[in-house]
Amino acid sequence: QKEVEQNSGPLSVPEGAIASLNCTYSDRGSQSFFWYRQYSGKSPELIMSIYSNGDKEDGRFTAQLNKASQYVSLLIRDSQPSDSATYLCAVRMDSSYKLIFGSGTRLLVRP
Amino acid sequence: IAGITQAPTSQILAAGRRMTLRCTQDMRHNAMYWYRQDLGLGLRLIHYSNTAGTTGKGEVPDGYSVSRANTDDFPLTLASAVPSQTSVYFCASSTLPGQGDNEQFFGPGTRLTVL
Repeated sequence: QKEVEQNSGPLSVPEGAIASLNCTYSDRGSQSFFWYRQYSGKSPELIMSIYSNGDKEDGRFTAQLNKASQYVSLLIRDSQPSDSATYLCAVRMDSSYKLIFGSGTRLLVRP
Repeated sequence: IAGITQAPTSQILAAGRRMTLRCTQDMRHNAMYWYRQDLGLGLRLIHYSNTAGTTGKGEVPDGYSVSRANTDDFPLTLASAVPSQTSVYFCASSTLPGQGDNEQFFGPGTRLTVL
């Protein structure tokens, strides 16, 4: 079992819809959770970080964390074609500063 | 403009040759990292450094070495390149846990092809 798992996709949604991206992790001691966006041929770009159970909102993005169920999700409201990218979930599993990345979910927003 | 730079942008290298990928950050971050990204495998940590003068091994360190002579620079060296080291290499930096959010920021990457 991978330490951080994501559905590879592609997840296809129409423009204006809510895109829901999910990530599960194996280590219950995980402390910090991050979502990165990566456009094809580009480097990962940090979108959100979340550290506590519940929701964290930033503009059109909402990160949701449920430590008991060991999942973290990213909701993108009013999806735009420019949101089409691969979204990487990353987890810091202990007191170290090393991140474990999932393989990413490819999102396609149809105009 | 604060950020991370990497050089070269891309490189084609003959197997057996030595290669150093350069990474420089000006965000005064203590921690720096090298990842490789391969299709279907995601980002995998090669080596890291939490402060100048110290380095550590990540998930896939074999065939690579790093040094951290100062805060800003973190070069990655392939002593004798092999085709399996064909990949996209990303350098990243962050603060340390307890020094803020510990978010990692990435450089633009180096695309390396070993023939």
